[in-house]
Amino acid sequence: AQSVTQPDIHITVSEGASLELRCNYSYGATPYLFWYVQSPGQGLQLLLKYFSGDTLVQGIKGFEAEFKRSQSSFNLRKPSVHWSDAAEYFCAVGAPGRRALTFGSGTRLQVQP
Amino acid sequence: DTGVSQNPRHKITKRGQNVTFRCDPISEHNRLYWYRQTLGQGPEFLTYFQNEAQLEKSRLLSDRFSAERPKGSFSTLEIQRTEQGDSAMYLCASSLEVDEQYFGPGTRLTVT
Repeated sequence: AQSVTQPDIHITVSEGASLELRCNYSYGATPYLFWYVQSPGQGLQLLLKYFSGDTLVQGIKGFEAEFKRSQSSFNLRKPSVHWSDAAEYFCAVGAPGRRALTFGSGTRLQVQP
Repeated sequence: DTGVSQNPRHKITKRGQNVTFRCDPISEHNRLYWYRQTLGQGPEFLTYFQNEAQLEKSRLLSDRFSAERPKGSFSTLEIQRTEQGDSAMYLCASSLEVDEQYFGPGTRLTVT
């Protein structure tokens, strides 16, 4: 069965600083990988996805993520964080032929002025 | 198109009562999913429809839970004889053929 680990429950960064959120997955083959963001009281918004091909994927709001098969990781990065990026971020893994996504427990991002 | 919509947004009910939630997916999406999210956790998969057929159910979906998607459009999720442990956010998502799921705002259920 697939699983996702987000090791950091809570991260605080200063506005303008760079950001990296960690995600490790467990799956026997090449998975589908996603990052979602959830603001308080809101649903989940898709930031970016990886299905195949180029291992560096660009998403919305200036985010990017890199798939590293050797490390079973799909870390999310942003070069300069804005106060509006404060939210909860979820990494998710899917498998070809199976429609359910498996989510990590999330990382809460706090942005200091 | 305004995305996936869910109603109601909030529901407070007493233990033992039945509740029903509705999800309207993005109009051209043939796949629909239900997830449950408890505080401090990521969403957990409950069930999946392709058109009107319910193709996958999680072990989390006990006998008290039932989902339908008549005519392959909107979907309903019913919980019978609610328990306090059912308190959670219930999320609906929809997708086309690829596994890129778009989520609605959710229905927050509180069982007192």
